[in-house]
Amino acid sequence: DTGVSQNPRHKITKRGQNVTFRCDPISEHNRLYWYRQTLGQGPEFLTYFQNEAQLEKSRLLSDRFSAERPKGSFSTLEIQRTEQGDSAMYLCASSFRQGAGGYTFGSGTRLTVV
Amino acid sequence: GIQVEQSPPDLILQEGANSTLRCNFSDSVNNLQWFHQNPWGQLINLFYIPSGTKQNGRLSATTVATERYSLLYISSSQTTDSGVYFCAVQERAGNMLTFGGGTRLMVKP
Repeated sequence: DTGVSQNPRHKITKRGQNVTFRCDPISEHNRLYWYRQTLGQGPEFLTYFQNEAQLEKSRLLSDRFSAERPKGSFSTLEIQRTEQGDSAMYLCASSFRQGAGGYTFGSGTRLTVV
Repeated sequence: GIQVEQSPPDLILQEGANSTLRCNFSDSVNNLQWFHQNPWGQLINLFYIPSGTKQNGRLSATTVATERYSLLYISSSQTTDSGVYFCAVQERAGNMLTFGGGTRLMVKP
């Protein structure tokens, strides 16, 4: 296990379509996080899981967004009825409990809504 | 929530020069990390440094937790050091990293 893996790397979609991203964390880590980063800004927290439980969601996570982590392993982030404002880099990270030892980020999925 | 401020926002250096990047935060933290974001968007972890001093090659970092700041030193800069450097903190009562606005570094040959 060499790190956090995200797929796809790039996604172009038409406005109104649904998209789903996948994140495979470091296997020993029990916490998994989703962040969003727009051009020129730092990453912003969206949500996190401890094992399979989704424990916190940012107000940035509108009802068109849903995240799951079945069985506490990989996670998916789905965006329904995409809007142009959803265009961003979506980053996944994992860590031990309470972030001990630091967070490791994946390469991200860059979403473009046209 | 905790506030994280980085300075300077932009920095242009000549290859071989040294620089210091600063991160100020508004509350006690139990996690502080410095990242380098490469042109493809990946966040590369440079240091996990909630307190103390660490060195890794030409890079070093110091966090003074009691005074709520951290410094990242880059010595003998190279063009490959170009990119955005982020400081991110996790406050003691928190469960996520909060990022600063970043320092955009350009190293000219």
